[in-house]
Amino acid sequence: EDKVVQSPLSLVVHEGDTVTLNCSYEVTNFRSLLWYKQEKKAPTFLFMLTSSGIEKKSGRLSSILDKKELSSILNITATQTGDSAIYLCAVCKDSWGKLQFGAGTQVVVTP
Amino acid sequence: DADVTQTPRNRITKTGKRIMLECSQTKGHDRMYWYRQDPGLGLRLIYYSFDVKDINKGEISDGYSVSRQAQAKFSLSLESAIPNQTALYFCATRTQGDEQFFGPGTRLTVL
Repeated sequence: EDKVVQSPLSLVVHEGDTVTLNCSYEVTNFRSLLWYKQEKKAPTFLFMLTSSGIEKKSGRLSSILDKKELSSILNITATQTGDSAIYLCAVCKDSWGKLQFGAGTQVVVTP
Repeated sequence: DADVTQTPRNRITKTGKRIMLECSQTKGHDRMYWYRQDPGLGLRLIYYSFDVKDINKGEISDGYSVSRQAQAKFSLSLESAIPNQTALYFCATRTQGDEQFFGPGTRLTVL
């Protein structure tokens, strides 16, 4: 059975801290791994990682894919209260675009 | 990004009622998806469609049906709602890449 597991389930940090979120996967077919940020309602796209693009960076956020370990990490440096959200990891399994999501990590950044 | 809209945004209904959730997008994306989100379970795929004549079941399609009335419209129906269908429902669209763009969601409560 395919599965995507995120850890930790939740964490609380102070502004300025660095956060590392983990995502591990076991799927029969792997096409890409995606990270989303969910604040109030709709998940918003952050990064997509593939075999040909295993590291992405945007401002204070960065992500790495480790295909050998079947995992990915999302780093947030110099956290701000606006980074408080649920971060979702999803694996795209085929050309149909079916996404298998993890349960998410809830991040709370306190002032 | 795709402009994806969902109606209604919130709905409370009773067990046994028929409910339709509607999704529209204005970016001309062929591929559309319906997900539900439950606390602690992430997002799970209900149905997906690549064009008006192409409808496919996702991992949790029982109790749901869909209609792709046009390229821009993809509706989700609950023929006879039950309380465990209480959830947050998202519509998403996708271009040629793997990233999907989500609508604002519909919060459905079945009493």
